[in-house]
Parts: sequence; structure tokens; C-alpha cells
Amino acid sequence: DTEVTQTPKHLVMGMTNKKSLKCEQHMGHRAMYWYKQKAKKPPELMFVYSYEKLSINESVPSRFSPECPNSSLLNLHLHALQPEDSALYLCASSLRDSTYEQYFGPGTRLTVT
Amino acid sequence: GIQVEQSPPDLILQEGANSTLRCNFSDSVNNLQWFHQNPWGQLINLFYIPSGTKQNGRLSATTVATERYSLLYISSSQTTDSGVYFCAVARDDKIIFGKGTRLHILP
Repeated sequence: DTEVTQTPKHLVMGMTNKKSLKCEQHMGHRAMYWYKQKAKKPPELMFVYSYEKLSINESVPSRFSPECPNSSLLNLHLHALQPEDSALYLCASSLRDSTYEQYFGPGTRLTVT
Repeated sequence: GIQVEQSPPDLILQEGANSTLRCNFSDSVNNLQWFHQNPWGQLINLFYIPSGTKQNGRLSATTVATERYSLLYISSSQTTDSGVYFCAVARDDKIIFGKGTRLHILP
């Protein structure tokens, strides 16, 4: 099974709301990733977790707060977002690190109003 | 940081045609993958190919790491091949995507 699941599929939130995106994998992977993809652009890396520890933060604003409660689960907590944060948020995982094949979830399409 | 360039940016072909997509990268990498992004946004793994040649049905890929490029070949195109093709490279735990090739197959 090479499945990464993400919930919700779609999310509309106001600028004062707090919401969370969820990502789950049961492949025994120990590296998990969050990406942001704007329309007609490539995915851009936001965060990397390695063995449940944050290893890379690509200068992402603090209104995005990642969390890795265990090796199977990755959350992205959202607070006080701006309309320009509207995008497709993709989660991925790989066996140990980025030298291994990455598998992506279907994404959460976020609209900030 | 590493630069990843894909060419061509756009490609329109008739069903049944063959195509070659190219990915150039500016420095040595630990990993290279090709993905197909469907209209719903799902990134589908095509090849994990840091070096060498692989084939999967009508698709094949070659990476020449020493010359810093990779090629994706699509033969006998079908309309379902339409979409955006990305290559992504990894170095020092960072993953960089090229801007993609948008492929449109006409029936």
C-alpha cells in the first residue's frame, strides 16, 4: 500500500479562523513533508519532518504551524491566514529521507476569504 | 540553491505521437523523480530515477547524473496522458520541483 491520505479535501476559512489539515500514512515512512502549490506553479516545500522532528522550515510564516504527533500522522495548523495563502496543500512521505521515493497525498484545496 | 529547468514548457500533440520531456539540474542530486499531475491535483509517481534507465509500459526515463539531466519519453500518446509533468530533485533533504511541462494530447 503506497497511500497517503489527506483531510479535508476542500476547506474554506475566514482570515480570523483557526483550522487544521491532516495527513496520514501507514507505510512505515519516517520522513513527512508539507508542500504548497499555487495555481499553474510547481509545488514548493514548506516543512520536513524526520523521525517526528522538524528538520526543515523553509522560512514559512508563523501563521502555519506544523505538528507531527507520531510517525504516521502530520498536521498543519492554520491561524490568521491571508487570501494569498489560498492554494493546494500537499503532504508527502518517504521511507527515511529525501533520497528515497516520495509519495504524495491528494491534497487539500484551501480558500481563504 | 539548485536550479531545475524543464523543457518544453508546453507541448501539444496528436494522439499516437511520441514525445521527449527534458529536465536539467544545476548541481549533483541525491534523488530525481518524475511525476504526472492530473487535473484534480494528484501527483502520480512515474519514475524514481536518480540514475540509469527505467521503463514502464509506454513510458521510459533516463537520468545521466554526471551530465545533470533526465529525459522522460512518452510513446503512442493517449488523451489520458494530458496534464503537467514535473521532475523533482533532492539534495540535503531539500526537494526542488521544476516548473513542469504542460502536455495536451488532442484526440
